[in-house]
Formats: sequence, structure tokens, C-alpha cells
Amino acid sequence: DTEVTQTPKHLVMGMTNKKSLKCEQHMGHRAMYWYKQKAKKPPELMFVYSYEKLSINESVPSRFSPECPNSSLLNLHLHALQPEDSALYLCASSQGGTSPHEQFFGPGTRLTVL
Amino acid sequence: AQSVAQPEDQVNVAEGNPLTVKCTYSVSGNPYLFWYVQYPNRGLQFLLKYITGDNLVKGSYGFEAEFNKSQTSFHLKKPSALVSDSALYFCAVRAFYGNNRLAFGKGNQVVVIP
Repeated sequence: DTEVTQTPKHLVMGMTNKKSLKCEQHMGHRAMYWYKQKAKKPPELMFVYSYEKLSINESVPSRFSPECPNSSLLNLHLHALQPEDSALYLCASSQGGTSPHEQFFGPGTRLTVL
Repeated sequence: AQSVAQPEDQVNVAEGNPLTVKCTYSVSGNPYLFWYVQYPNRGLQFLLKYITGDNLVKGSYGFEAEFNKSQTSFHLKKPSALVSDSALYFCAVRAFYGNNRLAFGKGNQVVVIP
């Protein structure tokens, strides 16, 4: 299985809602990532988990809260978002460690904040 | 700091003609270089990477890229473009001693004209 899955595919939420994005991989990867991507722009790194520990937080606002329950799962909890947070949220995974392994991306969750 | 420049916004090419997408990079020390492709409403797909060794790297779907250290370039090429190659292409770099943080270029929209 060489796939990263993300649910839901689309999400519409109000600014007072709480929702979660989910990501799963069964490739045995030990590094997992959250990216935010605006239309026709490159992905912007948000968080990196390495061996289930948060290793990079790119100064993301606290209304985004990541969680890595185990080596296969990655969640992104959303609360009190702003309309400018509307974007495609991509999850990726790669083999762990410091070697330059390529990242495998999921199809993304299209988030709209009203 | 590491960075990537993709100088063109859009590359137009006739079907069957050679396709080139340009990328130059800036990084301290030796680079790790990657090309990804993104089709509409999809995540990024890995095409190829340069780590070390042969400067000509072959990847998926008939793509290849040539690493040129003196020109700090890593241009993506395909001998004969297909209409299905129309997509958004991203070059990315990671420093040799860096963590898993990739620096992406702005992306190039490739349009293959039938």
C-alpha cells in the first residue's frame, strides 16, 4: 500500500466550529507532515512529526492543533478558524530519520471557512 | 537558508515536442533536489530526486532531470510531451544537513497543446 488517505475530501465550517482533519498511511513511514496550499501556490509546511513526536511547528496559529496518535495516523484539529484559513490541506509521509526520502502526499482536504 | 527559483510562470509546449521546466536552487552545502507534479484537485506526486552520483536522474512517466552544480540548476525534461503532462510542477530543495523541511519553488504551470 503506497497511499496516503485523507478525510474528509471537502469541509465547510463556520468560524465558531470545531472540526478535525484525518490522515492515514500504512507504508511504515515514521515522518508525517501537514501542509497548507492556496490555489496555484506551493505547499506551505505547517507541522512535522518524526517518530510520533512533534519536531517542526512553523509558527502556526494555535487555532490549528496537530495530533499523532500512532505511527500511521495524523490529525489536525481546527477551532475558531478565519476565512483566510480556507485552503487545501495536504498530509504527507516519508521514511523517518535524516536521509532525504521523498514525501508521499495525500489528495488533500479542501477547507472552506465561512 | 534554502530556496528554489522557477523563473517561468507557465510553459507552453506542443504535443510531441520536448518539454523543459527550469529550476535553480540556493542552499548551504550539498543539495537534495526533488521534482513533484500536481494535477488539478490532487495532492503532489513525486517524480524524481537527486541525492548524489550520476547528474542525470530518471524518474516516473518518462521524465528526467539534470543536476548542474556549477549553475546550481536542476531542470526537468521530457523528450516528447503528452497532453496528459499538463499540470503544475514544483521543484524543491533540502539541505544536506537539514531536517525534513523542503523549500518549494513557486511552481510552473505546464500546458501541452494538442
